[in-house]
Amino acid sequence: DGGITQSPKYLFRKEGQNVTLSCEQNLNHDAMYWYRQDPGQGLRLIYYSQIVNDFQKGDIAEGYSVSREKKESFPLTVTSAQKNPTAFYLCASSMGSGVTEAFFGQGTRLTVV
Amino acid sequence: AQSVTQPDIHITVSEGASLELRCNYSYGATPYLFWYVQSPGQGLQLLLKYFSGDTLVQGIKGFEAEFKRSQSSFNLRKPSVHWSDAAEYFCAVGIYGNKLVFGAGTILRVKS
Repeated sequence: DGGITQSPKYLFRKEGQNVTLSCEQNLNHDAMYWYRQDPGQGLRLIYYSQIVNDFQKGDIAEGYSVSREKKESFPLTVTSAQKNPTAFYLCASSMGSGVTEAFFGQGTRLTVV
Repeated sequence: AQSVTQPDIHITVSEGASLELRCNYSYGATPYLFWYVQSPGQGLQLLLKYFSGDTLVQGIKGFEAEFKRSQSSFNLRKPSVHWSDAAEYFCAVGIYGNKLVFGAGTILRVKS
């Protein structure tokens, strides 16, 4: 079945450590996105990529980094520079040709202690 | 700047009662509008979308939404709520660059 796979579902890290969240899609979508979700704040865009080897900062990119070496994969690294990294992270993809609906993964809950 | 407002943080309805979740958007161009639903600890599922044409759109699970340009609104409705509809609902507007801007969400509680 086509879809978006995020792993792991739960992740615990010590403060000061970098951590990478995985996102893979087999929908043949061109565009991929990373959102951060905090209670009462909806979803905020961290980074997005419209094509391979290209990506743009979203509204809250500070302390995060991404790569897009393959169409199917869009990993997100939460660096030690991110001041409040504990959150629920959602990866999404869309066809990319104009505005279309986004399809979401099941999310990764990151807890930094 | 573009934004989406969902005025109600929480809504509680009785099972079998009707439901309306409010959504107002701010966007200078023709809006592309979406409603998504999220169960706790899960990803988001698309309920319905509006791109153009008929302003009343039908979605999955018996939901519908009406686009009113004059009011900059895209309210979600369901005539009879089921206990399984309890979840968080997000309204979103699609903007240039193929991005979505989300509202803060409305948590729906269903009482039996």
